[in-house]
Amino acid sequence: ETGVTQTPRHLVMGMTNKKSLKCEQHLGHNAMYWYKQSAKKPLELMFVYNFKEQTENNSVPSRFSPECPNSSHLFLHLHTLQPEDSALYLCASSQENLGLVDEQFFGPGTRLTVL
Amino acid sequence: DAKTTQPPSMDCAEGRAANLPCNHSTISGNEYVYWYRQIHSQGPQYIIHGLKNNETNEMASLIITEDRKSSTLILPHATLRDTAVYYCIVAGISSGSARQLTFGSGTQLTVLP
Repeated sequence: ETGVTQTPRHLVMGMTNKKSLKCEQHLGHNAMYWYKQSAKKPLELMFVYNFKEQTENNSVPSRFSPECPNSSHLFLHLHTLQPEDSALYLCASSQENLGLVDEQFFGPGTRLTVL
Repeated sequence: DAKTTQPPSMDCAEGRAANLPCNHSTISGNEYVYWYRQIHSQGPQYIIHGLKNNETNEMASLIITEDRKSSTLILPHATLRDTAVYYCIVAGISSGSARQLTFGSGTQLTVLP
């Protein structure tokens, strides 16, 4: 138990569906992240939120839409996905302080299958 | 691209020390070396990090060479539960923005009974 929870743990959706992934951190952190891990590929950073502001968007297609309503919650809204978007989606959080180094705490991930 | 090079796989006998190497020859002065591991189908888990000096915690030891171009993660007494992919990551201190970790392919450590 890392203090970062993700729901749902498994999701199967069709290409025309709209769904959302939820992440919640109970650690009081101020930064949150979405990562994608496709089969046999390294983790790819998708989005970074720092103090609820999006600071990074690593060329992610617009069919993925993040939302960070507060520093404890992070959503990833999905619409018109493609089968190649099937992957493990991981959320992480960290405490960012200028000049200090803190580790990222990861949730268990959501295993997404797009049919 | 990841700034580190790791062997794709290693085996270690249960109870023995596991020594996982990492090359990071282009590391810059303000960049730290982080180690994470990922047990199959779970989220990555932080292990340890360091800048220049060797570091030790309850999970592992980190040995960084004097020129900082390589490091070794040591699990002193490997158990079957240490079987995982181990990632060596180089990342700098950010100036107020959240830190980005670039994961490479890592080393698949298999602890054998």
